[in-house]
Amino acid sequence: KAGVTQTPRYLIKTRGQQVTLSCSPISGHRSVSWYQQTPGQGLQFLFEYFSETQRNKGNFPGRFSGRQFSNSRSEMNVSTLELGDSALYLCASRKQGAADTQYFGPGTRLTVL
Amino acid sequence: EDQVTQSPEALRLQEGESSSLNCSYTVSGLRGLFWYRQDPGKGPEFLFTLYSAGEEKEKERLKATLTKKESFLHITAPKPEDSATYLCAVQEGNAGNMLTFGGGTRLMVKP
Repeated sequence: KAGVTQTPRYLIKTRGQQVTLSCSPISGHRSVSWYQQTPGQGLQFLFEYFSETQRNKGNFPGRFSGRQFSNSRSEMNVSTLELGDSALYLCASRKQGAADTQYFGPGTRLTVL
Repeated sequence: EDQVTQSPEALRLQEGESSSLNCSYTVSGLRGLFWYRQDPGKGPEFLFTLYSAGEEKEKERLKATLTKKESFLHITAPKPEDSATYLCAVQEGNAGNMLTFGGGTRLMVKP
């Protein structure tokens, strides 16, 4: 069974630009969550989508947004990029049970110059 | 607010030298505690899920245990390929499916 895939794997942008990252969950998984990982803050929850609806949101500014499509694939968008947005962005998928394990993708490494 | 603290931050072991990693947590209602392994530049790889105090799970050289306040990841006779960062995360009952992660323990096993 194929795992979670994320594209692109690496991205370099400049301040003020916007970026869109993509995530394809494991087949049959309907929930997708996004996390940001930085050396200073560790792994932090951004948001979760289930059946095309945002169910939960972390403590991030409105520049961070996402959506989910009918096939469960998800995208996240960051507008007006700042240097501090440089991070590894991880997507995780889950079946749909209350405490089902979240399986992570390889991440997208975003560098903001 | 949920708190997850992992110790030590870094651990250096000789091959075959067993040890334990600690994950202390404070949540109002634990739904699940998860252990992941992360190699440099890669996404976290799932290891174990624990749901209630007293539960234990094993996989090869790893064994995870859970009490009401902490979890331990015991590594028996580690090998160099066990070198990685080990992450602990909790899922709280009233926080949807959000995972709150600890800072991780960076394990180095020398041959």
